[in-house]
Amino acid sequence: GENVEQHPSTLSVQEGDSAVIKCTYSDSASNYFPWYKQELGKRPQLIIDIRSNVGEKKDQRIAVTLNKTAKHFSLHITETQPEDSAVYFCAARGTDSWGKFQFGAGTQVVVTP
Amino acid sequence: SAVISQKPSRDICQRGTSLTIQCQVDSQVTMMFWYRQQPGQSLTLIATANQGSEATYESGFVIDKFPISRPNLTFSTLTVSNMSPEDSSIYLCSWRGGSGNEQFFGPGTRLTVL
Repeated sequence: GENVEQHPSTLSVQEGDSAVIKCTYSDSASNYFPWYKQELGKRPQLIIDIRSNVGEKKDQRIAVTLNKTAKHFSLHITETQPEDSAVYFCAARGTDSWGKFQFGAGTQVVVTP
Repeated sequence: SAVISQKPSRDICQRGTSLTIQCQVDSQVTMMFWYRQQPGQSLTLIATANQGSEATYESGFVIDKFPISRPNLTFSTLTVSNMSPEDSSIYLCSWRGGSGNEQFFGPGTRLTVL
């Protein structure tokens, strides 16, 4: 089955700087890669996603890039703000009959003023 | 997107008892999932629950311990049976959007077993 690795596990950035989280996946047939943000005590929220036929997608201060050859994808947050502090999870949709998501281990992002 | 609610939001239970968690979606969805999230950990899929078929359980999870019902396209329940402290966790229901890609989560049930 699909296996997703996520790095780093923690990331501390100064407000205004950029943050980058990287994930790798194992199944070259995977074709959908979402990113979730989970604030403390709250549910995971879908913030951006990318399909395998696209190399990059941007939504305001966040962007996701996908390298199918290398089987890795990354989340980029620019001009970080304190409200960006949260745990971020990447995921890859597997190729089983249900298209189950395999989640990365998560990255704790702390934005310091 | 559909609104998803979960009950109870939290509970404290005694060892050996069972708790049923309810998940309600305000529109019909085909694919629903149940996840467990232990403190500080990622999301682990317990089972896939599709209406009209038996739930499909992931490795390490069995029907006797986590029976699931899916009586219609808007509702599902997960029961945590014969609980032990190791079952203390957040349990999340989840559904897949109409495109078959986007997946959304309920607010979760925080379970503590004493």
